[in-house]
Amino acid sequence: GAVVSQHPSWVICKSGTSVKIECRSLDFQATTMFWYRQFPKQSLMLMATSNEGSKATYEQGVEKDKFLINHASLTLSTLTVTSAHPEDSSFYICSATRGSGEETQYFGPGTRLLVL
Amino acid sequence: AQTVTQSQPEMSVQEAETVTLSCTYDTSENNYYLFWYKQPPSRQMILVIRQEAYKQQNATENRFSVNFQKAAKSFSLKISDSQLGDTAMYLCAWVDLPGNTGKLIFGQGTTLQVKP
Repeated sequence: GAVVSQHPSWVICKSGTSVKIECRSLDFQATTMFWYRQFPKQSLMLMATSNEGSKATYEQGVEKDKFLINHASLTLSTLTVTSAHPEDSSFYICSATRGSGEETQYFGPGTRLLVL
Repeated sequence: AQTVTQSQPEMSVQEAETVTLSCTYDTSENNYYLFWYKQPPSRQMILVIRQEAYKQQNATENRFSVNFQKAAKSFSLKISDSQLGDTAMYLCAWVDLPGNTGKLIFGQGTTLQVKP
């Protein structure tokens, strides 16, 4: 149990376009989801915390208008990179927790984004 | 602010040998959880082991065990009988109790190479 999927696994887009990444908890309800960004050979950097039915909480330095997060249901959160630019190219990973009292985060397989 | 430090960016070990990865953290909290995650070349984050701070007994999972020293704020990972499939980046992480932010604080990571 505790499987998290992400779609797409990788995407190439042109500069100026928007890209949506989906994160789904397949066999549990996720009250909280997290979005991370990872550069090559570096650790994960938390971008935002997403709770179902409420606005996401962004980490300092993360542009909320550029990285739109929606957590419309207990099994789905989406990250939209708006007007993507080459510097947004990165590896994006989501994670989810089962709910109150569950501190373990289960991670999706990640999405590799390349902006040309 | 809570911090997690992994002071070994890269390590290598011969197959079948034992290796220990270090992790220290800084927090004023008394109740929290500590994790070791493995990120192989596929970049899928895999939970290796979890330790609850109020438990004195060190957690073990097959060939993986931890040495948790709460007073010293140290949480090292020992891998016994290393296998080629253990080659990965290992990330140490800390989280406070649910009801707070639930955010994972990651260390910088240690890239482990298991040599045949």
